[in-house]
Amino acid sequence: KNQVEQSPQSLIILEGKNCTLQCNYTVSPFSNLRWYKQDTGRGPVSLTIMTFSENTKSNGRYTATLDADTKQSSLHITASQLSDSASYICVVSDPGGYNKLIFGAGTRLAVHP
Amino acid sequence: NAGVTQTPKFQVLKTGQSMTLQCAQDMNHNSMYWYRQDPGMGLRLIYYSASEGTTDKGEVPNGYNVSRLNKREFSLRLESAAPSQTSVYFCASSSSSYEQYFGPGTRLTVT
Repeated sequence: KNQVEQSPQSLIILEGKNCTLQCNYTVSPFSNLRWYKQDTGRGPVSLTIMTFSENTKSNGRYTATLDADTKQSSLHITASQLSDSASYICVVSDPGGYNKLIFGAGTRLAVHP
Repeated sequence: NAGVTQTPKFQVLKTGQSMTLQCAQDMNHNSMYWYRQDPGMGLRLIYYSASEGTTDKGEVPNGYNVSRLNKREFSLRLESAAPSQTSVYFCASSSSSYEQYFGPGTRLTVT
């Protein structure tokens, strides 16, 4: 079954510290992987999209990596800020097409001062 | 340019009542989607519309119907609400690229 699993479920870090969130997927064939940020009470917003041939992509303080061989991705947040407090969702394209997506359950990150 | 808008933001229904969730996008996107988000789970696709005039079932379509009214609007209807449909509902749209843009969500409680 095509699945996306994320770890940890939740994480608390101090402002200014770095952190790394993990994503494992079993989706096949693979097309692309995305990371979304979802603030409390809002819809998800895209951070990065990576295709099969890309293994690193950055968006400001966010850096996503992809290892298509091991079917793993990570999202690294550098020099965290209070505004980084949110859920981070790993998403893989569904091979069924029509731009359908398979979502992980997310990692809830809290950044404390 | 408002992106994807959804109404209402909040709704409380009694079991058996019906309602329609509205979604509109102003980005001229061909495809639109309805998802539900439940605690501890990833977003799940209810229905989608690959283009104007077409709709298809997603992962969890039971208890829902949709209408792609025109290119801009895609509505989700609950004919007879059940407590299991308590959830947060998100509408999204996309062009031919990979990117999906999400609305702010509708928080629905069925008592």
